[in-house]
Amino acid sequence: KAGVTQTPRYLIKTRGQQVTLSCSPISGHRSVSWYQQTPGQGLQFLFEYFSETQRNKGNFPGRFSGRQFSNSRSEMNVSTLELGDSALYLCASSLASETNTEAFFGQGTRLTVV
Amino acid sequence: AQKVTQAQTEISVVEKEDVTLDCVYETRDTTYYLFWYKQPPSGELVFLIRRNSFDEQNEISGRYSWNFQKSTSSFNFTITASQVVDSAVYFCALSIEAAGNKLTFGGGTRVLVKP
Repeated sequence: KAGVTQTPRYLIKTRGQQVTLSCSPISGHRSVSWYQQTPGQGLQFLFEYFSETQRNKGNFPGRFSGRQFSNSRSEMNVSTLELGDSALYLCASSLASETNTEAFFGQGTRLTVV
Repeated sequence: AQKVTQAQTEISVVEKEDVTLDCVYETRDTTYYLFWYKQPPSGELVFLIRRNSFDEQNEISGRYSWNFQKSTSSFNFTITASQVVDSAVYFCALSIEAAGNKLTFGGGTRVLVKP
């Protein structure tokens, strides 16, 4: 069974640009969550999507957005990039039928903003 | 709001020693779930265990064991007879029933097992 796939693995962008990250969940999983990991702030929840709807949102500015497609694949977008957006972005998928179940994580996309 | 505290930022041990990772959580919810994840250098978080707030039974899985104590809001993790492959960052996390699959993570504890 394939795991959670995130693309690209590495990305370098310039301040002010925008970026789109992609996540393909485990087959059959309909919940996708996104997390930002930085040395200073640790792991922080960005948002969760379930059946193409945002179910939960963390405390991030509106520059951070996401969406989920009918095949459960998800994308997150960051507009007007700032240096502080440099981080490892992790995607996690979970079974749809329950909440609070174990999440399976991808290897992440490491974003560097210069 | 939920909070998870892992007071130990880094622990260094010699192979075959036991190591215990502390986790203290805060929540006003009566139904909640606790997790431990391992993050090896490759980056992905690997699920280790999930516990709900009504199940205080300790659990052992191979060399891993977990001690859940609601009275002290702690969910500690012990690796017995550590091995070099156990070197990683370990995260404790909390989710509440009302918040779907949102996880609140602790700051993590880096474990270094030396041969």
